[in-house]
Amino acid sequence: QVQLQESGPGLVKPSETLSLTCAVSGYSISSGYYWGWIRQPPGKGLEWIGSIYHSGSTYYNPSLKSRVTISIDTSKNQFSLKLSSVTAADTAVYYCAREPGRDIWGQGTMVTVSS
Amino acid sequence: QSALTQPASVSGSPGQSITISCTGTSSDVGGYNYVSWYQHHPGKAPKLMIYEVSNRPSGVSNRFSGSKSGNTASLTISGLQSEDEADYYCTSYTSSSTYVFGTGTKVTVL
Repeated sequence: QVQLQESGPGLVKPSETLSLTCAVSGYSISSGYYWGWIRQPPGKGLEWIGSIYHSGSTYYNPSLKSRVTISIDTSKNQFSLKLSSVTAADTAVYYCAREPGRDIWGQGTMVTVSS
Repeated sequence: QSALTQPASVSGSPGQSITISCTGTSSDVGGYNYVSWYQHHPGKAPKLMIYEVSNRPSGVSNRFSGSKSGNTASLTISGLQSEDEADYYCTSYTSSSTYVFGTGTKVTVL
């Protein structure tokens, strides 16, 4: 079955760039679907960050657009998130998911922004 | 884009029915039939319960149903069970080709 697995540093310093990767197994991402990132700050709700189509087209949350880059590597069957100039407000559990329905999610990875 | 509005909490006794509302605008909920609902237990990945307003994925109990009227979508849980206690989020596609989540609703089974 299709599985998603997030990976990346659990601690990022303020003003630096947060980088996460979502490895997809059981499905070739070049075959279709959108692939997205969602986050949940501690004690808060879910927030859609953005998504990428297998062709490379991207869509971003307007509130994060200036700092977000989502890319796709079909050769490695994975997609990635980069969030620049992070602050404590970017501390959250970050999830990757298959879109548009988000029927399949990764287990999530906690990222803390702190010096 | 502003988060869709959900009640902070809804509660009910086992066996009862509850409804969670999700209010947006004509640029999101009201404009598209792309409203989904997710169940989220703390520490776990969210689970898709309803997609495209009223469709249930395979494996989701038929006690969960979705509907929409104007700019407000709703999730109804009938025959409430203890395992239904969780946070629930709606989400909608928007006119900007983006998605927006709801504020989230904590469901408590009394």
